[in-house]
Amino acid sequence: ILNVEQSPQSLHVQEGDSTNFTCSFPSSNFYALHWYRWETAKSPEALFVMTLNGDEKKKGRISATLNTKEGYSYLYIKGSQPEDSATYLCASPYTGNQFYFGTGTSLTVIP
Amino acid sequence: DADVTQTPRNRITKTGKRIMLECSQTKGHDRMYWYRQDPGLGLRLIYYSFDVKDINKGEISDGYSVSRQAQAKFSLSLESAIPNQTALYFCATSPGQGDQPQHFGDGTRLSIL
Repeated sequence: ILNVEQSPQSLHVQEGDSTNFTCSFPSSNFYALHWYRWETAKSPEALFVMTLNGDEKKKGRISATLNTKEGYSYLYIKGSQPEDSATYLCASPYTGNQFYFGTGTSLTVIP
Repeated sequence: DADVTQTPRNRITKTGKRIMLECSQTKGHDRMYWYRQDPGLGLRLIYYSFDVKDINKGEISDGYSVSRQAQAKFSLSLESAIPNQTALYFCATSPGQGDQPQHFGDGTRLSIL
């Protein structure tokens, strides 16, 4: 079993604030790190897949970084908007096949 | 139409009943997965399949079985449902190995009384 952990469990921010959260994973036998956005009553949607140490990915106001040597990834949201409210999941595939998900960070952006 | 379709979307049934959840996809992906989600826990992998002849157990396969009827169809069965299998179930597909994103269906909410 791969231990993928996310923190914090939940977060409330004001509209316009920037925020970030963490995903930690075992650094040995690293294959890839995935981030998903999961809105209530919808299905999880892929944000980023990162494979290389030092990877940085960006999509609009959301970006992510990866440190495979120490086993963590950060997800950043700049200037949070109410539509960013969702649960953000990270996952790591063991041997590239069997995915292990963290429990997620629930973000609420207050208008 | 959704690329990954799960049926039914909701199901309430009784302990001991046999239940089948179905997943079909139009994405042409080889890899398909079944997960369950429980409050306070992350998505946990039940089974995954790389093609019709390749089925693999995931982290929590006990009490479940699967069938890959075609590249586009992957079914999950609960042979004799029990209340602790009450959960939200997701099917997902992927075009390749772990460096490719997963594409999820809308989920099946299953309640076992």
